[in-house]
Amino acid sequence: TQLLEQSPQFLSIQEGENLTVYCNSSSVFSSLQWYRQEPGEGPVLLVTVVTGGEVKKLKRLTFQFGDARKDSSLHITAAQPGDTGLYLCAGVVRRDDKIIFGKGTRLHILP
Amino acid sequence: DTEVTQTPKHLVMGMTNKKSLKCEQHMGHRAMYWYKQKAKKPPELMFVYSYEKLSINESVPSRFSPECPNSSLLNLHLHALQPEDSALYLCASSQWHRAYNEQFFGPGTRLTVL
Repeated sequence: TQLLEQSPQFLSIQEGENLTVYCNSSSVFSSLQWYRQEPGEGPVLLVTVVTGGEVKKLKRLTFQFGDARKDSSLHITAAQPGDTGLYLCAGVVRRDDKIIFGKGTRLHILP
Repeated sequence: DTEVTQTPKHLVMGMTNKKSLKCEQHMGHRAMYWYKQKAKKPPELMFVYSYEKLSINESVPSRFSPECPNSSLLNLHLHALQPEDSALYLCASSQWHRAYNEQFFGPGTRLTVL
């Protein structure tokens, strides 16, 4: 069974703090996407990483793809209440093109 | 246009009803997907259409019947559903169903089966 372990599952921190969310797997991915989802809405694509070791920045969000393309991290600097939401990672498995989702990280930023 | 639209936004139906969910994209994407998402869970893949042909059916019960009339439209026909089928149904599209597979999601249809 192919798994994409995402941690932590829940995170509640004060505005202004930094945080990191991790996605780990034993599978090698062709690409990996990060999404943010608001309640009752569809996931919104934040970034796609493709190359091992790749780092992408989106304002206060920094995304990194592991050298072996088996893991990824999302780092948020100076979190704000608007960052609150469900963060999902999704990887395309290199071997069979199947897409697998992590279970998500529910992030709550307290003002 | 980088949007995936879904209708209706909300749907309430009885177990004997027949209804359809609709999804549309005009990004020229050739792969389209149906997902089911229960509360506090990640999306679960149901079907994948690639070039208007069904390429993946993740062992979904036959009471869910997908249809892809053309490259921009995707339907999900519902018949004789059960209360446990209540969920958020998400449609997504990607340029094609291949390794580099950036998916764009619609806002979803919130389905309640009574």
